[in-house]
Amino acid sequence: AQTVTQSQPEMSVQEAETVTLSCTYDTSESDYYLFWYKQPPSRQMILVIRQEAYKQQNATENRFSVNFQKAAKSFSLKISDSQLGDAAMYFCAHDSNYQLIWGAGTKLIIKP
Amino acid sequence: DSGVTQTPKHLITATGQRVTLRCSPRSGDLSVYWYQQSLDQGLQFLIQYYNGEERAKGNILERFSAQQFPDLHSELNLSSLELGDSALYFCASSVELRPQHFGDGTRLSIL
Repeated sequence: AQTVTQSQPEMSVQEAETVTLSCTYDTSESDYYLFWYKQPPSRQMILVIRQEAYKQQNATENRFSVNFQKAAKSFSLKISDSQLGDAAMYFCAHDSNYQLIWGAGTKLIIKP
Repeated sequence: DSGVTQTPKHLITATGQRVTLRCSPRSGDLSVYWYQQSLDQGLQFLIQYYNGEERAKGNILERFSAQQFPDLHSELNLSSLELGDSALYFCASSVELRPQHFGDGTRLSIL
């Protein structure tokens, strides 16, 4: 079965510091995508970053970057220069059979 | 703004009732997906349509049904509502499969 595991229910970081959120997944597919979504208190679901499995280069979007380890089936999200607006639930997701399989989420707290 | 429009934003109704949630995908997107997010939980995939046809079905109850119309908008129908159906219902759209851009959701409260 396809699964996505986020082992950190909650993380906290000092404003302006760097934090890494962990995600592991299980799949038998060779071609797939991985995503990180952010859900702030407003409950909107916002795409943060995506990674194509066939690309060896790690994706980067401004202060957000990923560490994609395909063999280990690991997909962590690094947030640099953390800002108060980064406080949210972060979900890791993997696409399989026309649907997204979601992790349970990590609540990120930013300390001012 | 993701370009995906969901209406209504909030819906309050009683047990046993029936409601319809509406989703307009981003311009050019052929796929529409429906997800349910219960309080403090992750998202559960319900169903996907591609260009009017059902493509994948997840953990969707028999009391729930959906369809995608020729203009590509989609509706999710929930009937015989129960207290446990209270949740945030998201619609997402994409050109094919990836990535999926989400609407702001419809918050359904069953009293």
